[in-house]
Amino acid sequence: IVMTQTPLSLSVTPGQPASISCRSSQSLLHSDGKTYFYWYLQKPGQPPHLLIYEVSNRFSGVPDRFSGSGSGTDFTLKISRVEAEDVGVYYCMQTIQVPRTFGPGTRLDIK
Amino acid sequence: EVQLLESGGGLVQPGGSLRLSCAASGFTFSSYAMSWVRQAPGKGLEWVSGISNSGGGADYADSVKGRFTISRDNSKNTLYLQMNNLGAEDTAVYYCTRNWGYWGQGTLVTVSS
Repeated sequence: IVMTQTPLSLSVTPGQPASISCRSSQSLLHSDGKTYFYWYLQKPGQPPHLLIYEVSNRFSGVPDRFSGSGSGTDFTLKISRVEAEDVGVYYCMQTIQVPRTFGPGTRLDIK
Repeated sequence: EVQLLESGGGLVQPGGSLRLSCAASGFTFSSYAMSWVRQAPGKGLEWVSGISNSGGGADYADSVKGRFTISRDNSKNTLYLQMNNLGAEDTAVYYCTRNWGYWGQGTLVTVSS
């Protein structure tokens, strides 16, 4: 399954919203009713940190300014008000099928 | 607190072997599937291999199939990745992850003569 992300980079003024899209080449909806889609943020020099699992569930400790939505093959990550600590590369990932695959990443920086 | 600590990385010559380890703590290791994900310098994330909680099932990326072997010792709370016939394309930071919310800090593998 090929994962594509748009945009590949964006520059955002603090306090402004941001949105990243991810599209999969096949549906990520499993017969068990779950959609196996995730969003990660990798800050410089750190491992990836899980933000959102199964499309719209925030992982433990993730601020509520992050939200995920979508279904099937089209997904969106929204940051309601970008903060300086949100800088890094955002990746989407699917785990419905082997090999698990990631998107190419979207680099977010602060204006 | 969930902790994952990778070790075993280093410099190896092309064609050589390495075994990575990932020591887990803070959770019931035998209850969770685990995976290895790698990141080449300046590049994105690539899933390498995954193993079921019991160790009875494993999957591999095509790029490593036949060269890498994932395993686990639930009595030692440790995940392994045996890497053979290494090539320059295997140079990367290797992360272990408790599918998919917890990640270690990674261990760097450099394949070079």
